[in-house]
Amino acid sequence: DGGITQSPKYLFRKEGQNVTLSCEQNLNHDAMYWYRQDPGQGLRLIYYSQIVNDFQKGDIAEGYSVSREKKESFPLTVTSAQKNPTAFYLCASSIKYNEQFFGPGTRLTVL
Amino acid sequence: AQSVSQHNHHVILSEAASLELGCNYSYGGTVNLFWYVQYPGQHLQLLLKYFSGDPLVKGIKGFEAEFIKSKFSFNLRKPSVQWSDTAEYFCAVNNAGNMLTFGGGTRLMVKP
Repeated sequence: DGGITQSPKYLFRKEGQNVTLSCEQNLNHDAMYWYRQDPGQGLRLIYYSQIVNDFQKGDIAEGYSVSREKKESFPLTVTSAQKNPTAFYLCASSIKYNEQFFGPGTRLTVL
Repeated sequence: AQSVSQHNHHVILSEAASLELGCNYSYGGTVNLFWYVQYPGQHLQLLLKYFSGDPLVKGIKGFEAEFIKSKFSFNLRKPSVQWSDTAEYFCAVNNAGNMLTFGGGTRLMVKP
């Protein structure tokens, strides 16, 4: 069954901690993306990767980091430098520049 | 940088009412246009897309959208909404070689 999985579904973080959100896809897509969704602001691009071992910053990359060691995986780390990390995080993948397919999301809450 | 505007942030309709959600974008070149929907508790999923050809695009669940190049618009329509259409709707645009830019979303509530 092809698709995108994200884990965990809910994540709680204490201030000052780094946390890593998982994203895996078995669609054989080259491109993968991370978005942040906040009420009334739509989706804002954090990072994207069009090929293994390469990634670029999106509009709001500060306080986040990513890696792309495998085609199937694109984990996102929310670092302690991110001042307002409480949000809903969505991962997506696509054939390059085509429609994007989204995962179910991870809701991160900072305690 | 391109931008996408969705002017209606919240829309409340009764069942069987007609729906039109506005979407305007800023980029002047060739664009690909998308409408995504996020039902409560579900994945964001594609409703319809426009790449080229007939500017009136039909999507899933009876939705359609019309691309009007002169107005930089891609409005979403449905003749008769159902309670199950309650969701958040996002317009998105990309131009060749660029990433998707999303609008701020429109929350639609359909009253039974």
